[in-house]
Amino acid sequence: NAGVTQTPKFRVLKTGQSMTLLCAQDMNHEYMYWYRQDPGMGLRLIHYSVGEGTTAKGEVPDGYNVSRLKKQNFLLGLESAAPSQTSVYFCASSLGLAGTDTQYFGPGTRLTVL
Amino acid sequence: GDSVTQMEGPVTLSEEAFLTINCTYTATGYPSLFWYVQYPGEGLQLLLKATKADDKGSNKGFEATYRKETTSFHLEKGSVQVSDSAVYFCALIDKLRGGSNYKLTFGKGTLLTVNP
Repeated sequence: NAGVTQTPKFRVLKTGQSMTLLCAQDMNHEYMYWYRQDPGMGLRLIHYSVGEGTTAKGEVPDGYNVSRLKKQNFLLGLESAAPSQTSVYFCASSLGLAGTDTQYFGPGTRLTVL
Repeated sequence: GDSVTQMEGPVTLSEEAFLTINCTYTATGYPSLFWYVQYPGEGLQLLLKATKADDKGSNKGFEATYRKETTSFHLEKGSVQVSDSAVYFCALIDKLRGGSNYKLTFGKGTLLTVNP
């Protein structure tokens, strides 16, 4: 049981390049989330999914796209990277959203955009 | 909207000292409250939670009580260890826009360093 895994762990991009971050969970969770963590800002929700085939916008969705083609995977895409997207990205998953469910976080992806 | 405010760090303590990290919140309803911990180089882990007023969450010697009258959820530990050095995040369950689902709203985090 690996929990939540993220690929890659580190990445450096040039402005305008594209990339996809992969999140995988083996806990059969319905809900998955992408957050970004910036110094002094805490975590902010980018996009989330309430089940396979569904996605929705979070607090800071601009410049990102997501897909949930398989229940266990949640992909975060940057079509044209910008320096403002330099951040640490965390994926999380939870079984349900009853207001008390625990979110399980991956180890993070550190992205630098030059 | 709902928000979480926690004391700014960094907080530096000696081993066996008493720890308090303050957290206050604003919410329209009755949120569930959480403390998450992030050890260096790792993702966040749930430390403890409380789902209603006067509930006390506890784990690994840490405690926090949900105080509705003061809208607070302060984290405490009686005797910290070097291994407690980490960033601590207070959070609450908030309602997502346009639906019945929820998201966590996080505070900005407090860095705790415990020296031997």
